[in-house]
Amino acid sequence: EMQLVQSGGGLVQPGGSLTLSCAASGFHFSGEWMSWVRQAPGKGLEWVANIKEDGSEKHYVDSVKGRFTISRDNARNSLSLQMNSLRAEDTAVYYCARDDYGGVSFDYRGQGSLVTVSS
Amino acid sequence: DVVMTQSPLSLPVTLGQPASISCRSSQSLVHSDGNTYLTWFQQRPGQSPRRLIYRVSDRDSGVPDRFSGSGSGTDFTLKISSVEAEDVGVYYCMQGPGGKKFGQGTKVEIK
Repeated sequence: EMQLVQSGGGLVQPGGSLTLSCAASGFHFSGEWMSWVRQAPGKGLEWVANIKEDGSEKHYVDSVKGRFTISRDNARNSLSLQMNSLRAEDTAVYYCARDDYGGVSFDYRGQGSLVTVSS
Repeated sequence: DVVMTQSPLSLPVTLGQPASISCRSSQSLVHSDGNTYLTWFQQRPGQSPRRLIYRVSDRDSGVPDRFSGSGSGTDFTLKISSVEAEDVGVYYCMQGPGGKKFGQGTKVEIK
């Protein structure tokens, strides 16, 4: 059964940086695209970025292009999201997710990583 | 860019009665490979999202059969045949693959 264990997150000042990590197990990580999805407090879900199996292709939502970088380490079954130049509007719970069937699937047991951007 | 529009945004329902949520995309979701990648999620209060339906109508393992998805092209529907108390939450549609877009969400509550 798929398991996605996240780490990172926390309070950061505007303009600061933070890295989120996601340790995957229970599926063939290196054979799957992976995504990050976020949810601002009291708001809906927003897809943020995804990365191809071998890391050769990446896509981002316009609002984070040039500031966020998605990466992966297939040897460690690990996904990361490097977030730079953070803004108040980046405040959200960030979820790691597996791309499949054209969409994503979440580890329903996970709670995501809360990122708060505030001075 | 594709825009996903859900309706209604709030749906009060009576226990045991059916419920229906609409999701419309601004352009056809039929992919060049012939598949239509429309996904439905449930998010119960205080929980992470859970996928219910993928590729319009394929139900995920463990999802009760009272949930069903249908539609084609730009118009899609999630139906709950008989609402139970545990179905309270927010439901989202999402288009893919590649860059993905979610609908705004529909809040289902018990009358």
